[in-house]
Amino acid sequence: GAGVSQSPSNKVTEKGKDVELRCDPISGHTALYWYRQSLGQGLEFLIYFQGNSAPDKSGLPSDRFSAERTGGSVSTLTIQRTQQEDSAVYLCASSLWSSHRGGEQYFGPGTRLTVT
Amino acid sequence: TQLLEQSPQFLSIQEGENLTVYCNSSSVFSSLQWYRQEPGEGPVLLVTVVTGGEVKKLKRLTFQFGDARKDSSLHITAAQPGDTGLYLCAGRIQGAQKLVFGQGTRLTINP
Repeated sequence: GAGVSQSPSNKVTEKGKDVELRCDPISGHTALYWYRQSLGQGLEFLIYFQGNSAPDKSGLPSDRFSAERTGGSVSTLTIQRTQQEDSAVYLCASSLWSSHRGGEQYFGPGTRLTVT
Repeated sequence: TQLLEQSPQFLSIQEGENLTVYCNSSSVFSSLQWYRQEPGEGPVLLVTVVTGGEVKKLKRLTFQFGDARKDSSLHITAAQPGDTGLYLCAGRIQGAQKLVFGQGTRLTINP
């Protein structure tokens, strides 16, 4: 079956512009996660959705970052007034349901964001 | 401070040798997952371990979860060039849903 898909695969934007990153989770997966991967920082958690609700937003680095999920499916991560330090690969993952003990998360290919 | 310490960060060995990658923490995890990531792609799940002391084998790869569920190891037997990649351990802290990742081990197997 289809895995997690993300778009765009690459995004180059000028400092100060807003960007939207999209994630389509695996069909039927109720939990969705956003992570950021940058050189020297590894993979860091941003936000988690269960259905359309976001019970854990603790990883969002500033109020310039926001995310929403609609219909229990597609999610959009928005970064306003982008800064150079926002340059990273943004990864989306989904899991069947979050409360399962194993909670295996399956990742998309990521969106590489470059802020110039 | 890294919640999950992964070592070594870089490892380059010859084909046919054995190797072990370690992930250690002072925190208890409800589960721990190992991923492999190729350049330009997202991490691909290799295995999930959930029970203290659990050992899982995937062909030449052996994964172990510590008895106290604070640490894990990945052992590769007779490494092959196709094993080259970035290996990541990731743990779910009890009561949380997010994964915390180790810094990764960049493994190179030379023919």
